[in-house]
Amino acid sequence: GGIITQTPKFLIGQEGQKLTLKCQQNFNHDTMYWYRQDSGKGLRLIYYSITENDLQKGDLSEGYDASREKKSSFSLTVTSAQKNEMAVFLCASSISGGISDYTFGSGTRLLVI
Amino acid sequence: GDSVTQMQGQVTLSEDDFLFINCTYSTTWYPTLFWYVQYPGEGPQLLLKVTTANNKGISRGFEATYDKGTTSFHLQKASVQESDSAVYYCVLAPHDTNAYKVIFGKGTHLHVLP
Repeated sequence: GGIITQTPKFLIGQEGQKLTLKCQQNFNHDTMYWYRQDSGKGLRLIYYSITENDLQKGDLSEGYDASREKKSSFSLTVTSAQKNEMAVFLCASSISGGISDYTFGSGTRLLVI
Repeated sequence: GDSVTQMQGQVTLSEDDFLFINCTYSTTWYPTLFWYVQYPGEGPQLLLKVTTANNKGISRGFEATYDKGTTSFHLQKASVQESDSAVYYCVLAPHDTNAYKVIFGKGTHLHVLP
């Protein structure tokens, strides 16, 4: 079996800071995703990547950058953290397109003070 | 555009109660429908998936029927346990197999009291 690992698990940042979240998977999945989870709002897609070095914007990409330098890893950067922001960022991977099953990491919990 | 509606934000039940979580969807063609479950401190995980209209998915005592007529995919379980306490997401994947933007409902938080 494989695993998808997100680091760090908890991240405390300061307003205006650039923050980077990392995700690694060993399923050899082609597609990887970053979602933001806010209470009562479900999961919203920030970025996805269908192969190494590919990047596609989701509905919530403003304020974020992403990087997929290797097939197994996908990183997300918060370009300027907003004060009092609190959210969970979830990474996922899948074999191919949306009809295939997603495997999620356990998330990075962000708090900006 | 495509959408998924889960009207119940929170459901509280006692052990052995019947569970019904409402999910309706809107899309232009035949989607694939999923239920994902998220336990505290974990990421969502696949609970069940149905690719064909009017078929039923069954997993771990949960079931959901892909009803094309009513555009619904309600989740049911005959007898819930405290360990079923989690957030349940109804998810739609558009018919286009190249579509990467699946649609998540807002989630239903299930609390099962002992």
